Amino acid sequence: EADIYQTPRYLVIGTGKKITLECSQTMGHDKMYWYQQDPGMELHLIHYSYGVNSTEKGDLSSESTVSRIRTEHFPLTLESARPSHTSQYLCASSEFTSGSLPDTQYFGPGTRLTVL
Amino acid sequence: AQKITQTQPGMFVQEKEAVTLDCTYDTSDPSYGLFWYKQPSSGEMIFLIYQGSYDQQNATEGRYSLNFQKARKSANLVISASQLGDSAMYFCAFTSYGKLTFGQGTILTVHP
Repeated sequence: EADIYQTPRYLVIGTGKKITLECSQTMGHDKMYWYQQDPGMELHLIHYSYGVNSTEKGDLSSESTVSRIRTEHFPLTLESARPSHTSQYLCASSEFTSGSLPDTQYFGPGTRLTVL
Repeated sequence: AQKITQTQPGMFVQEKEAVTLDCTYDTSDPSYGLFWYKQPSSGEMIFLIYQGSYDQQNATEGRYSLNFQKARKSANLVISASQLGDSAMYFCAFTSYGKLTFGQGTILTVHP
């Protein structure tokens, strides 16, 4: 079973606030990911990292930023939250595999963000 | 770009019966993988099963099996002996080079 944690689970804040969504994993995985999911819809990749000091933007454009200073920690920050940022944010991690073998991503429980 | 399609927005099944959730994909990559995840109403994504493009046999994990038809580019999930706890959203996902692309999802409802 995967050990990946996200806090907070639920967050309701006002417009203009700066927020940081935390994601930590204890499996020593090199790869970490952030997805955004609107209710009842598919997940969209917004950020990913293949290791410390590595961050890349995903397929869906996002105003959020990420950092990867430690292997186990991959926080996501919104400098000024807006109602359009209301969504669920899911963090995932996977172990690096060599060659062309796909690797399994394990997900945290998600953070449901509501911006008023 | 890879495309993955789940054509069933919702499915209903009687408890203890089997159900098949459809998933098709489009890719020109020779090496890829297909995943199925379950998302209960609580929101977390639970990994169910994985099929690699070079795997000769269909993947199975307990009551879950993946009906992989490479020529047709389909990777359907079969859940045998459905249980009430199987009611959830199910996502098919495609991967090559490490990134996942998700389908639209299918809501499965299991009736007693």
